[in-house]
Amino acid sequence: SQTIHQWPATLVQPVGSPLSLECTVEGTSNPNLYWYRQAAGRGLQLLFYSVGIGQISSEVPQNLSASRPQDRQFILSSKKLLLSDSGFYLCAWSVPGANTEAFFGQGTRLTVV
Amino acid sequence: AQSVSQHNHHVILSEAASLELGCNYSYGGTVNLFWYVQYPGQHLQLLLKYFSGDPLVKGIKGFEAEFIKSKFSFNLRKPSVQWSDTAEYFCAVYTNAGKSTFGDGTTLTVKP
Repeated sequence: SQTIHQWPATLVQPVGSPLSLECTVEGTSNPNLYWYRQAAGRGLQLLFYSVGIGQISSEVPQNLSASRPQDRQFILSSKKLLLSDSGFYLCAWSVPGANTEAFFGQGTRLTVV
Repeated sequence: AQSVSQHNHHVILSEAASLELGCNYSYGGTVNLFWYVQYPGQHLQLLLKYFSGDPLVKGIKGFEAEFIKSKFSFNLRKPSVQWSDTAEYFCAVYTNAGKSTFGDGTTLTVKP
């Protein structure tokens, strides 16, 4: 069966520090991968999605970047965090080539102080 | 650009009451529609989905949703809610591979 792992679960980082959140999927090949940010009362905002290694699409301009160095690995990064980057970040995957549902990780609560 | 609107931000019901959560989307082409649920302390999970065919779809735990193309709506319903239905509910639209839009979510509180 397929599983998705996202870590860390919580993170407190000072302003100006770098960020690296990692997400890996097991049990499937060439998944579509997504990074979302969930803000209270604001729903889920799609940040990045990827349909293959090295292929990243960005949905909103921001202080963050994403990379897919391996087929089932998706990384969310920042060189210098801002206070406004605080939030709940979710990684998800879906079956490639079809508009099927997304399967979500447990999420990372990021607090920038 | 596609968008999804969930009209109710917070709904409070008593057990056994009927539920309807509104969801409207804006997109002129073919869409796939989803409702996700997030129970307290748990991750998002699929409640039900519509791709094609019968516009009335049934999901887990007695939920159903009706796709009305002319109204660009995909409302979620349940005839009789339970305390365990307390959760946050998200409507989502997918228009092509990798492109998704979620609504802002509706928090449902069911009083025992």
